[in-house]
Order: sequence, then structure tokens, then C-alpha cells
Amino acid sequence: DGGITQSPKYLFRKEGQNVTLSCEQNLNHDAMYWYRQDPGQGLRLIYYSQIVNDFQKGDIAEGYSVSREKKESFPLTVTSAQKNPTAFYLCASSIAGRGSNTEAFFGQGTRLTVV
Amino acid sequence: AQSVTQPDIHITVSEGASLELRCNYSYGATPYLFWYVQSPGQGLQLLLKYFSGDTLVQGIKGFEAEFKRSQSSFNVRKPSVHWSDAAEYFCAVGTGGGADGLTFGKGTHLIIQP
Repeated sequence: DGGITQSPKYLFRKEGQNVTLSCEQNLNHDAMYWYRQDPGQGLRLIYYSQIVNDFQKGDIAEGYSVSREKKESFPLTVTSAQKNPTAFYLCASSIAGRGSNTEAFFGQGTRLTVV
Repeated sequence: AQSVTQPDIHITVSEGASLELRCNYSYGATPYLFWYVQSPGQGLQLLLKYFSGDTLVQGIKGFEAEFKRSQSSFNVRKPSVHWSDAAEYFCAVGTGGGADGLTFGKGTHLIIQP
């Protein structure tokens, strides 16, 4: 079945450590996105990528980094510089780039807790 | 910059009653509008979308929404809710067809009373 796979589902991190969240899609989508969800805040865009080897900052990129070496994969690293990393992280993808009429498909999310 | 407002944080509806969830957006150009639904601890599922054309759009699970440009609104309705409709609902606006990502509202939590 085609879809977006995020792993792990739950992740615990000690303060001061970097951690990488995985996102893989087999939908052959060009664009991929990372969102952060906090209770009562909706979703906020962290980073997005419209093509391999290129990515753009979203609204809350500070303390995060990404890479897009393969079309199928868009890992997100939460660095120690992120002051409040505990949140639910959602990865999404969509068919193509600017001007295309399409919706985003979402993974099941990773809940990150800093302990 | 675009923005989305969902005025109702929580809504409680009796099973079988009608439902309307409100969404207002701010965007200078023609918006691409979406409604997503999220069950607890899960990802988001597309409920319906508006890009152009007919302002009344049909979605999954019996939901429909109407785009009103004059009111900058994209409210979603359902004539008769089921207990399984209890979830978090998000309205979103996309620029560039959504290619640059979506701007979400803060969500409306729907509670269904038996």
C-alpha cells in the first residue's frame, strides 16, 4: 500500500541531545513537509522540500535541520538548540510543486518527549 | 501572510443532530482551502478541498463545505453526525497550490453526545 511512514511512533530524548525523526513515502511525491503540532496550536510548518537536494525553511525552522538526499526520504533532526522540542511531529507529502492543485497526505506522526 | 481562524475551540453536538464548523481565512489571492480531520494520536485525513469552480464541495463521510469569497469563509457542514465523527477538525489554506505548505487553524474539537 502507498503511504507515508514515520518512525518511531514514540521517541524520548534527554535534554542536550540531537534526535532524528524518520519520514519515508512511496507515493512518488515530489514535495515533502514537516509540521509540528502542540495542543491548541494547530500545525505549524517547520521545513519543506519541493525537490531532491533542495529545501526551504517554514515558519518555525529554528532548532531543526533536514536533508533531502532521496525523493522518498525527508528526515528531520531536532537539535539541542530547539528550546521546547516536546511535541507531536507530522510529516506530509504532495504530488508536485508550485501551482499544482493537490492536497497533502500525512503520516501517523511521531510523539517526541524530552526527559 | 495568510492566516486561518477557527472561532470555536470546542463544539458539542448530539448524535443525529446537524453540524457546522466555521473557518475564516485571510489571503490576498485565490485561496486553496482544505479541511482535515484528526483522531487522537493519529495523522490527518483530508475531509474535503476547494481549489476553484463550484463553491459547494462534497467530501468524505457526508461532509460538505461552501466557499464564500465575500465572507472569506469555508465552513463545513454535516446534516446528521455520528459518534464516529468525534475528532479534531482543522481548516487550512495553501499557497501555490499548497506546494509551499499549508497554514492551519488551531482546530475545533468535536464532541458527540449520545
